[in-house]
Amino acid sequence: DAGVTQSPTHLIKTRGQQVTLRCSPKSGHDTVSWYQQALGQGPQFIFQYYEEEERQRGNFPDRFSGHQFPNYSSELNVNALLLGDSALYLCASSTTHGFSNTGELFFGEGSRLTVL
Amino acid sequence: ILNVEQSPQSLHVQEGDSTNFTCSFPSSNFYALHWYRWETAKSPEALFVMTLNGDEKKKGRISATLNTKEGYSYLYIKGSQPEDSATYLCALEDGAGSYQLTFGKGTKLSVIP
Repeated sequence: DAGVTQSPTHLIKTRGQQVTLRCSPKSGHDTVSWYQQALGQGPQFIFQYYEEEERQRGNFPDRFSGHQFPNYSSELNVNALLLGDSALYLCASSTTHGFSNTGELFFGEGSRLTVL
Repeated sequence: ILNVEQSPQSLHVQEGDSTNFTCSFPSSNFYALHWYRWETAKSPEALFVMTLNGDEKKKGRISATLNTKEGYSYLYIKGSQPEDSATYLCALEDGAGSYQLTFGKGTKLSVIP
């Protein structure tokens, strides 16, 4: 059973460019969340997708957008890249069934973005 | 903005020692508390999801306790092994209508053989 897969694993962009990161959730999971981990910080919630809609959004500007496809995979898009967008971007999948709202998250290994 | 604090930031222990670390959170915002283990170059792995005051969870040599009234959780590792070396993250769910986790910065554990 494949877990959460993310691509690409590493990428380098320059300021002002745009980037798309991709995530395939664990089999049987219908919910995808995206987190940003900057150096020295804990992961910070960007947004969550469920039923192809953005269900909740964290404190990130509109430059950050996403999409969920009918097969539950997801993309994170970042426009007009800034140096401060350099970080590890983690995708996590889950199901809506469980005893907490979020349920147990299954993470991918992340996409490391460097903005020069 | 919620403040989830973890301490210590890092620690080194000898193989065989037992250790523990703390996660503190605002008790008024509690809905659920998660613990994750994150080994270098791997993905974070869920250890526990805790929802009730007084909850105690155990997985092998790792256990966790929860005090929602005073806003803290302890993670214990008994008889640390080198494979326990990882960053341990706690994360707070803050409400019935919220789907986000607020993470602490983590405690980095190094177990010296």
